[in-house]
Amino acid sequence: EADIYQTPRYLVIGTGKKITLECSQTMGHDKMYWYQQDPGMELHLIHYSYGVNSTEKGDLSSESTVSRIRTEHFPLTLESARPSHTSQYLCASSDPYKETQYFGPGTRLLVL
Amino acid sequence: ILNVEQSPQSLHVQEGDSTNFTCSFPSSNFYALHWYRWETAKSPKALFVMTLNGDEKKKGRISATLNTKEGYSYLYIKGSQPEDSATYLCAFNDYTDKLIFGTGTRLQVFP
Repeated sequence: EADIYQTPRYLVIGTGKKITLECSQTMGHDKMYWYQQDPGMELHLIHYSYGVNSTEKGDLSSESTVSRIRTEHFPLTLESARPSHTSQYLCASSDPYKETQYFGPGTRLLVL
Repeated sequence: ILNVEQSPQSLHVQEGDSTNFTCSFPSSNFYALHWYRWETAKSPKALFVMTLNGDEKKKGRISATLNTKEGYSYLYIKGSQPEDSATYLCAFNDYTDKLIFGTGTRLQVFP
């Protein structure tokens, strides 16, 4: 069973605040991903990393930034939250031998 | 633009009914097709990863087939149970290993 954690699970915050969504995995996976999902829509890749000090933007443009200083940790930051950032954010990591992505439970973000 | 489509969007069935969903994906540059099961308030969990045309995979009452030439996959659930209620996502990846997801099929099984 894969272990990937996200905190917080739910966040309600005012416009202009800086927020960091945490993602950690204990499986030693090099590849990690952030997805964004609006209600009724697909999961869209917004950031990914192939290892420490490697980060790339995904197919969906996002104002968020990510960092990968440690293998197990892949936080996502919004410097100044806006109502348009209201969404669900899911973190995932992948096993190179099984081609499967393992997902965290997600963070539901509401920006007022 | 890579597009993955799933149908139906939602499905309501009685316990014991069998059901199936469809996933359509680009037939060019195919590498793998993934099926995930996503229960409310939980993490999406991988059901199947399929790579070969004609592949059939089975896990208990759930099975899936793959046609890479025409770009579709079917997911079947035999004898649906209330615990099968979830959103079923399919995702396509080409050789870049980035997953392109469909919007999912939301299944509700009533006792």
